[in-house]
Amino acid sequence: QVQLVQSGAEVKKPGASVNVSCKASGYTFTGYYVHWLRQAPGQGLEWIGWINPNSGGTNYAQKCQGRVTMTRDTSISTAYMELSSLRSDDTAVYYCARARVHSAEIDYWGQGTLVTVSS
Amino acid sequence: QSVLTQPPSASGTPGQRVTISCSGSSSNIGSNYVYWYQQLPGTAPKLLIYRNNQRPSGVPDRFSGSKSGTSASLAISGLRSEDEADYYCAAWDDSLVVFGGGTKLTVL
Repeated sequence: QVQLVQSGAEVKKPGASVNVSCKASGYTFTGYYVHWLRQAPGQGLEWIGWINPNSGGTNYAQKCQGRVTMTRDTSISTAYMELSSLRSDDTAVYYCARARVHSAEIDYWGQGTLVTVSS
Repeated sequence: QSVLTQPPSASGTPGQRVTISCSGSSSNIGSNYVYWYQQLPGTAPKLLIYRNNQRPSGVPDRFSGSKSGTSASLAISGLRSEDEADYYCAAWDDSLVVFGGGTKLTVL
């Protein structure tokens, strides 16, 4: 069965960086994009970007461009999202999710990782 | 400010039919499929409708989707208490994914 398992909760200070991992299993990792989204407390979903695990190609939402980097390690079927220069409004639950190539059809989601930015 | 526009809230009584709208533009809804996601409290979102009007296995046929031009809608018939959740529309848009701001559905 398809599973996406994310790393655990993080607490970071403003200005620091956070790296969230997402280990995929149950399907061919390179056959689907991995998207990252976040949800601030009480707010809606915000799409951050995607990575093509096959090529390593990425595309990021304008809001986080310059601060976000998505990478992958195909040998262990794991995707990573690093967000730098953290601010308090980056506090959110971060999700990784699987989607068909060039599609908004996100069919499997990770369990979410709470990132708290606080001094 | 979300790229796709949804009403922030909707409500209905058990058994009623409710619809949630999603408005976009020619670059997203107008030229790509629309997807709907359901998020129950405290859980990750779940794919509810794909490719405008298709239901994944396990989604009751009480849920239906439609699209016309640059707008789409989600209809829920025979409303049940367990349908109380947040609903999001999404679409592909020039190599990005755009979402609506979400609609909180309350079952009265």
